[in-house]
Amino acid sequence: DSGVTQTPKHLITATGQRVTLRCSPRSGDLSVYWYQQSLDQGLQFLIQYYNGEERAKGNILERFSAQQFPDLHSELNLSSLELGDSALYFCASSVGEARGRGYTFGSGTRLTVV
Amino acid sequence: SQQGEEDPQALSIQEGENATMNCSYKTSINNLQWYRQNSGRGLVHLILIRSNEREKHSGRLRVTLDTSKKSSSLLITASRAADTASYFCATDENYGGSQGNLIFGKGTKLSVKP
Repeated sequence: DSGVTQTPKHLITATGQRVTLRCSPRSGDLSVYWYQQSLDQGLQFLIQYYNGEERAKGNILERFSAQQFPDLHSELNLSSLELGDSALYFCASSVGEARGRGYTFGSGTRLTVV
Repeated sequence: SQQGEEDPQALSIQEGENATMNCSYKTSINNLQWYRQNSGRGLVHLILIRSNEREKHSGRLRVTLDTSKKSSSLLITASRAADTASYFCATDENYGGSQGNLIFGKGTKLSVKP
Protein backbone atom coordinates (compact mmCIF):
# COMPACT_ATOMS: atom_id res chain seq x y z
CA ASP A 1 0.00 0.00 0.00
CA SER A 2 1.60 3.22 -1.20
CA GLY A 3 -0.55 5.47 0.98
CA VAL A 4 -2.28 7.03 -2.03
CA THR A 5 -5.83 5.75 -2.34
CA GLN A 6 -7.75 5.80 -5.57
CA THR A 7 -11.37 4.81 -6.02
CA PRO A 8 -12.93 3.12 -7.78
CA LYS A 9 -10.40 0.58 -9.04
CA HIS A 10 -12.46 -0.27 -12.09
CA LEU A 11 -15.18 1.64 -13.90
CA ILE A 12 -17.17 0.64 -16.95
CA THR A 13 -19.44 3.24 -18.47
CA ALA A 14 -21.09 4.17 -21.74
CA THR A 15 -20.09 6.85 -24.22
CA GLY A 16 -21.50 10.25 -23.40
CA GLN A 17 -21.58 9.62 -19.68
CA ARG A 18 -19.78 11.44 -16.88
CA VAL A 19 -17.66 9.85 -14.16
CA THR A 20 -15.73 11.04 -11.12
CA LEU A 21 -12.47 9.52 -10.01
CA ARG A 22 -11.31 10.10 -6.48
CA CYS A 23 -7.86 10.30 -4.94
CA SER A 24 -6.70 10.61 -1.35
CA PRO A 25 -3.04 11.61 -1.17
CA ARG A 26 -0.51 10.15 1.21
CA SER A 27 -0.74 11.67 4.66
CA GLY A 28 1.18 14.94 4.78
CA ASP A 29 1.44 15.37 1.00
CA LEU A 30 0.07 18.62 -0.32
CA SER A 31 0.49 18.10 -4.05
CA VAL A 32 -1.71 15.87 -6.17
CA TYR A 33 -1.03 14.99 -9.79
CA TRP A 34 -3.28 13.22 -12.28
CA TYR A 35 -1.93 11.11 -15.11
CA GLN A 36 -3.60 9.16 -17.90
CA GLN A 37 -1.92 6.00 -19.16
CA SER A 38 -2.95 4.44 -22.44
CA LEU A 39 -1.16 2.01 -24.72
CA ASP A 40 -0.68 4.46 -27.56
CA GLN A 41 0.02 7.67 -25.62
CA GLY A 42 1.91 6.32 -22.64
CA LEU A 43 1.75 8.29 -19.38
CA GLN A 44 0.35 11.73 -19.97
CA PHE A 45 0.36 14.42 -17.31
CA LEU A 46 -3.09 15.94 -16.92
CA ILE A 47 -3.11 18.38 -14.03
CA GLN A 48 -1.51 19.24 -10.69
CA TYR A 49 -2.93 20.76 -7.53
CA TYR A 50 -1.03 22.07 -4.55
CA ASN A 51 -2.85 22.74 -1.29
CA GLY A 52 -6.14 23.30 -3.08
CA GLU A 53 -4.85 25.44 -5.93
CA GLU A 54 -4.27 24.43 -9.52
CA ARG A 55 -0.52 24.59 -10.22
CA ALA A 56 0.10 23.12 -13.64
CA LYS A 57 -1.91 21.85 -16.55
CA GLY A 58 -0.84 19.29 -19.10
CA ASN A 59 -2.69 17.52 -21.86
CA ILE A 60 -6.06 17.74 -20.17
CA LEU A 61 -9.10 17.89 -22.41
CA GLU A 62 -11.74 20.55 -21.89
CA ARG A 63 -14.20 17.73 -21.12
CA PHE A 64 -12.08 16.88 -18.09
CA SER A 65 -11.82 18.90 -14.91
CA ALA A 66 -10.39 18.40 -11.47
CA GLN A 67 -10.31 19.96 -8.06
CA GLN A 68 -8.58 19.52 -4.72
CA PHE A 69 -10.65 19.92 -1.60
CA PRO A 70 -9.69 21.44 1.79
CA ASP A 71 -9.01 17.95 3.17
CA LEU A 72 -6.56 17.57 0.24
CA HIS A 73 -8.38 14.77 -1.53
CA SER A 74 -8.84 15.34 -5.23
CA GLU A 75 -11.42 14.43 -7.81
CA LEU A 76 -11.03 14.12 -11.56
CA ASN A 77 -14.25 14.59 -13.49
CA LEU A 78 -14.52 13.17 -16.98
CA SER A 79 -17.57 14.10 -19.03
CA SER A 80 -19.01 13.36 -22.48
CA LEU A 81 -16.92 10.23 -22.43
CA GLU A 82 -15.58 8.80 -25.66
CA LEU A 83 -14.18 5.37 -26.46
CA GLY A 84 -10.72 6.89 -26.61
CA ASP A 85 -10.94 7.96 -22.98
CA SER A 86 -10.57 4.33 -21.95
CA ALA A 87 -7.32 4.22 -20.01
CA LEU A 88 -5.70 3.85 -16.60
CA TYR A 89 -5.95 7.03 -14.60
CA PHE A 90 -3.33 7.51 -11.91
CA CYS A 91 -3.14 9.92 -9.08
CA ALA A 92 0.19 10.68 -7.45
CA SER A 93 1.10 12.82 -4.50
CA SER A 94 4.21 14.45 -3.15
CA VAL A 95 5.36 16.54 -0.24
CA GLY A 96 5.36 20.23 -1.11
CA GLU A 97 5.76 20.94 -4.77
CA ALA A 98 8.01 17.96 -5.35
CA ARG A 99 11.02 19.80 -6.67
CA GLY A 100 13.69 17.22 -6.16
CA ARG A 101 11.40 14.56 -4.72
CA GLY A 102 9.72 11.49 -6.11
CA TYR A 103 6.03 10.97 -6.47
CA THR A 104 3.96 8.34 -4.70
CA PHE A 105 1.45 6.78 -7.04
CA GLY A 106 -1.88 5.19 -6.32
CA SER A 107 -2.85 1.89 -7.90
CA GLY A 108 -5.01 3.62 -10.49
CA THR A 109 -8.56 3.56 -11.80
CA ARG A 110 -9.11 1.51 -14.94
CA LEU A 111 -11.79 3.25 -16.99
CA THR A 112 -13.47 1.38 -19.80
CA VAL A 113 -15.85 3.32 -22.03
CA VAL A 114 -18.14 1.10 -24.10
CA SER B 1 4.40 15.64 -24.87
CA GLN B 2 6.97 12.94 -24.14
CA GLN B 3 10.23 14.16 -22.74
CA GLY B 4 12.15 11.00 -21.94
CA GLU B 5 12.55 8.25 -24.48
CA GLU B 6 13.66 4.89 -23.18
CA ASP B 7 15.73 2.42 -25.08
CA PRO B 8 15.28 -0.44 -25.66
CA GLN B 9 11.49 -0.71 -25.71
CA ALA B 10 11.76 -4.31 -24.53
CA LEU B 11 14.55 -6.32 -22.94
CA SER B 12 14.63 -10.02 -22.13
CA ILE B 13 17.42 -11.49 -19.99
CA GLN B 14 18.20 -14.46 -17.79
CA GLU B 15 18.17 -14.30 -14.02
CA GLY B 16 21.54 -13.21 -12.68
CA GLU B 17 22.40 -11.08 -15.71
CA ASN B 18 22.60 -7.31 -15.62
CA ALA B 19 19.97 -5.17 -17.30
CA THR B 20 20.74 -1.75 -18.73
CA MET B 21 18.08 0.70 -19.85
CA ASN B 22 18.73 4.07 -21.39
CA CYS B 23 16.76 7.29 -21.42
CA SER B 24 17.22 10.37 -23.57
CA TYR B 25 15.52 13.70 -23.03
CA LYS B 26 15.26 16.98 -24.85
CA THR B 27 15.29 19.99 -22.56
CA SER B 28 17.13 21.29 -19.55
CA ILE B 29 16.14 19.38 -16.43
CA ASN B 30 16.16 19.86 -12.69
CA ASN B 31 16.35 16.14 -11.96
CA LEU B 32 15.67 12.77 -13.55
CA GLN B 33 13.82 9.94 -11.87
CA TRP B 34 13.29 6.26 -12.58
CA TYR B 35 10.08 4.41 -11.80
CA ARG B 36 9.00 0.82 -12.01
CA GLN B 37 5.54 -0.44 -12.90
CA ASN B 38 4.33 -3.98 -12.53
CA SER B 39 1.67 -4.88 -15.07
CA GLY B 40 -1.41 -2.69 -14.61
CA ARG B 41 -0.28 -1.45 -11.21
CA GLY B 42 0.84 1.94 -9.93
CA LEU B 43 4.31 3.28 -10.50
CA VAL B 44 6.91 2.95 -7.78
CA HIS B 45 9.66 5.51 -7.38
CA LEU B 46 13.10 3.88 -7.59
CA ILE B 47 15.73 6.58 -7.63
CA LEU B 48 16.25 10.28 -8.31
CA ILE B 49 19.38 11.90 -9.68
CA ARG B 50 19.82 15.64 -9.70
CA SER B 51 21.18 17.56 -12.66
CA ASN B 52 24.47 18.24 -10.85
CA GLU B 53 25.04 14.55 -10.06
CA ARG B 54 26.66 12.06 -12.42
CA GLU B 55 26.05 8.73 -10.73
CA LYS B 56 23.90 7.35 -7.96
CA HIS B 57 23.50 3.93 -6.37
CA SER B 58 20.67 2.30 -4.49
CA GLY B 59 21.01 -1.39 -3.69
CA ARG B 60 21.26 -3.25 -7.02
CA LEU B 61 20.41 -0.09 -8.96
CA ARG B 62 22.95 2.25 -10.52
CA VAL B 63 21.88 5.37 -12.36
CA THR B 64 24.09 7.63 -14.42
CA LEU B 65 23.29 11.03 -15.86
CA ASP B 66 25.08 12.83 -18.69
CA THR B 67 23.55 16.28 -19.05
CA SER B 68 25.80 17.13 -22.01
CA LYS B 69 24.27 14.24 -23.94
CA LYS B 70 20.88 14.63 -22.29
CA SER B 71 20.84 10.96 -21.39
CA SER B 72 20.61 8.65 -18.41
CA SER B 73 21.01 4.94 -17.85
CA LEU B 74 19.60 2.57 -15.27
CA LEU B 75 21.57 -0.56 -14.50
CA ILE B 76 20.02 -3.39 -12.51
CA THR B 77 22.68 -5.84 -11.41
CA ALA B 78 22.17 -9.54 -10.71
CA SER B 79 18.60 -9.41 -11.96
CA ARG B 80 15.85 -11.56 -10.48
CA ALA B 81 12.56 -12.80 -11.91
CA ALA B 82 10.85 -10.36 -9.55
CA ASP B 83 12.49 -7.47 -11.44
CA THR B 84 10.19 -8.20 -14.38
CA ALA B 85 8.30 -4.95 -14.92
CA SER B 86 8.23 -1.82 -17.02
CA TYR B 87 10.76 0.87 -16.17
CA PHE B 88 10.15 4.54 -16.88
CA CYS B 89 12.38 7.55 -16.74
CA ALA B 90 10.78 10.86 -15.84
CA THR B 91 12.22 14.33 -16.05
CA ASP B 92 11.45 17.32 -13.89
CA GLU B 93 11.89 20.06 -16.45
CA ASN B 94 13.68 23.19 -15.39
CA TYR B 95 11.10 25.92 -15.58
CA GLY B 96 13.06 28.33 -13.48
CA GLY B 97 11.20 29.22 -10.32
CA SER B 98 7.96 27.49 -11.17
CA GLN B 99 7.09 23.91 -10.47
CA GLY B 100 7.93 21.48 -13.21
CA ASN B 101 5.77 18.42 -13.30
CA LEU B 102 7.22 15.04 -14.17
CA ILE B 103 7.19 14.08 -17.83
CA PHE B 104 7.44 10.33 -18.43
CA GLY B 105 8.90 8.34 -21.27
CA LYS B 106 7.16 5.34 -22.80
CA GLY B 107 9.14 2.83 -20.78
CA THR B 108 11.27 -0.26 -21.20
CA LYS B 109 9.56 -3.58 -20.65
CA LEU B 110 12.01 -5.86 -18.83
CA SER B 111 11.48 -9.59 -18.70
CA VAL B 112 13.77 -11.65 -16.46
CA LYS B 113 13.57 -15.37 -17.08
CA PRO B 114 14.29 -17.76 -14.21
